[in-house]
Amino acid sequence: AQSVTQLGSHVSVSEGALVLLRCNYSSSVPPYLFWYVQYPNQGLQLLLKYTSAATLVKGINGFEAEFKKSETSFHLTKPSAHMSDAAEYFCAVSPASGGSYIPTFGRGTSLIVHP
Amino acid sequence: GAGVSQSPSNKVTEKGKDVELRCDPISGHTALYWYRQSLGQGLEFLIYFQGNSAPDKSGLPSDRFSAERTGGSVSTLTIQRTQQEDSAVYLCASSSRTGKGDIQYFGAGTRLSVL
Repeated sequence: AQSVTQLGSHVSVSEGALVLLRCNYSSSVPPYLFWYVQYPNQGLQLLLKYTSAATLVKGINGFEAEFKKSETSFHLTKPSAHMSDAAEYFCAVSPASGGSYIPTFGRGTSLIVHP
Repeated sequence: GAGVSQSPSNKVTEKGKDVELRCDPISGHTALYWYRQSLGQGLEFLIYFQGNSAPDKSGLPSDRFSAERTGGSVSTLTIQRTQQEDSAVYLCASSSRTGKGDIQYFGAGTRLSVL
């Protein structure tokens, strides 16, 4: 069974400050990992995806995430927050083996950016 | 089409009525997912279609919920005898392959309000 935990339902940062959104997963084997972003009244769109090719994954809009197997973590970071980054962020895990093709999503973290 | 299309974007209904929600996936995508998004609860998997295979209905919360996918393309999610707890945003996603770790493309969702 797989699961995803996103620490903090809300994260508040000032514009220009570092963004850190936390995600920990539970899986019997290293899975595929994703970060999706959801802007108000829109569907989710992919920020980045981990596929085991590299532990540091770069995504769109200046975001990146680092896969740490020893910590079972896949935290999302951005060096400098912009007002347009305010959105809901979801971490998701998809099994790399076994019969299921269905990803599991975390509960989401709402990023608030203050001027 | 250019993306996943869902209709209607908003639906208000009275308790006890039936509702139908429609999803048009990206052309050529063989996999289609329905999720329910409630405030603070993340994405709850409902049902998964892949090609002509029998759908995975393991996430449907009750027998009031059903879904079909005609011709391997358009899908309809039906909720019978709606209850107030059915109020949520219903998201549809599609992906292009059956392999592990496929990227999902989401529609903007249908916001269902049951009065």
